[in-house]
Amino acid sequence: NAGVTQTPKFRVLKTGQSMTLLCAQDMNHEYMYWYRQDPGMGLRLIHYSVGEGTTAKGEVPDGYNVSRLKKQNFLLGLESAAPSQTSVYFCASSKGQGIRFNQPQHFGDGTRLSIL
Amino acid sequence: DAKTTQPTSMDCAEGRAANLPCNHSTISGNEYVYWYRQIHSQGPQYIIHGLKNNETNEMASLIITEDRKSSTLILPHATLRDTAVYYCIVRALSSNDYKLSFGAGTTVTVRA
Repeated sequence: NAGVTQTPKFRVLKTGQSMTLLCAQDMNHEYMYWYRQDPGMGLRLIHYSVGEGTTAKGEVPDGYNVSRLKKQNFLLGLESAAPSQTSVYFCASSKGQGIRFNQPQHFGDGTRLSIL
Repeated sequence: DAKTTQPTSMDCAEGRAANLPCNHSTISGNEYVYWYRQIHSQGPQYIIHGLKNNETNEMASLIITEDRKSSTLILPHATLRDTAVYYCIVRALSSNDYKLSFGAGTTVTVRA
């Protein structure tokens, strides 16, 4: 009963490097989300997806790209990492219901990313 | 979505019930009350949600007042593992606001 699984759990990058964070869910959820959490800032939505093959921008999308090639996976990419992207990244998923986002979101345990 | 107000912190004795209040006096008729928590170094965890009737699941009970302006999350037998920040959120049934907005929440410390 895995729920939402994020890999890797920790990563240290140098400025300018690229990487991809993987999120996988086994609940057959339609909607998936990427958030970042910084001290004193709460959760901020980066990108989200309402279904396979679709993505949309959230509050803080700059510097990130996403892809949802398979329903169960949602990838977050950093093309050229910057120190400002040091954060804890959380993936979440929820059931789809039309264009309603009221279903509970289920979160992974996060990826702790440091950019030096 | 309606604004919520929660106490900053509270302590609870292990094995006792923890009652976490939340005020949402501007709640609209189509808005649900949701509770999440975040244990240190883990992702947020959904606990329970309700519209106007009291709800119970394996984790907690949710009591919503008749006028729906406030609610209480009850952890029936708190354990040390329930130490976390608890968030009360109000969202509409028809919400097209994709992001989940957490306020400051209540830091609950369960003591042995």
